[in-house]
Amino acid sequence: SQKIEQNSEALNIQEGKTATLTCNYTNYSPAYLQWYRQDPGRGPVFLLLIRENEKEKRKERLKVTFDTTLKQSLFHITASQPADSATYLCALDKAAGNKLTFGGGTRVLVKP
Amino acid sequence: GAVVSQHPSRVICKSGTSVKIECRSLDFQATTMFWYRQFPKKSLMLMATSNEGSKATYEQGVEKDKFLINHASLTLSTLTVTSAHPEDSSFYICSARGPGLAGGGIINEQFFGPGTRLTVL
Repeated sequence: SQKIEQNSEALNIQEGKTATLTCNYTNYSPAYLQWYRQDPGRGPVFLLLIRENEKEKRKERLKVTFDTTLKQSLFHITASQPADSATYLCALDKAAGNKLTFGGGTRVLVKP
Repeated sequence: GAVVSQHPSRVICKSGTSVKIECRSLDFQATTMFWYRQFPKKSLMLMATSNEGSKATYEQGVEKDKFLINHASLTLSTLTVTSAHPEDSSFYICSARGPGLAGGGIINEQFFGPGTRLTVL
């Protein structure tokens, strides 16, 4: 069966360091992979989308990699700040216009 | 970016009553809206996909007669939880995707509402 796995344990990190989150998937051939941020009691907010033919995408302090051979995406927050504390979700989209399937999310806590 | 609103943000109701949740795309036309359910510390589970002017497509295991979805216009979709029971208590989130947004929006980007916390007593 199809699975999307994120580290369920919270990631505690010191301010200024780089946080690295993983998203692994099995039995999937996604055309896109997306990362979202969710704060408690709020809906997810879109951060980055990476296509299957792209290896890396950057947006400000965020970087996403996509390895379709390893079936894995890495999400990096560089120079982390306490305001980056949130839950980060990866989501797979099989093809244009298709529905998203979300991973369980990883909570990040950046300590000052 | 595009804005999606939900109303109400919180609702408490008695068991057996029905509750309607609205999802609106405020500055774009949403041909497709999605309804999700989220339990505490769990991920979003897709309940149904709603296309404007047609019947919603429900995910396996979701009772369509219990969770009524209407997408009557390009900016509004509603989810009605009928005969609600305590086990229906959850965080319900909608998202909207347009056909293509002004300013070069990504076609597959979904914009999420802030969610509705439903508590059934």
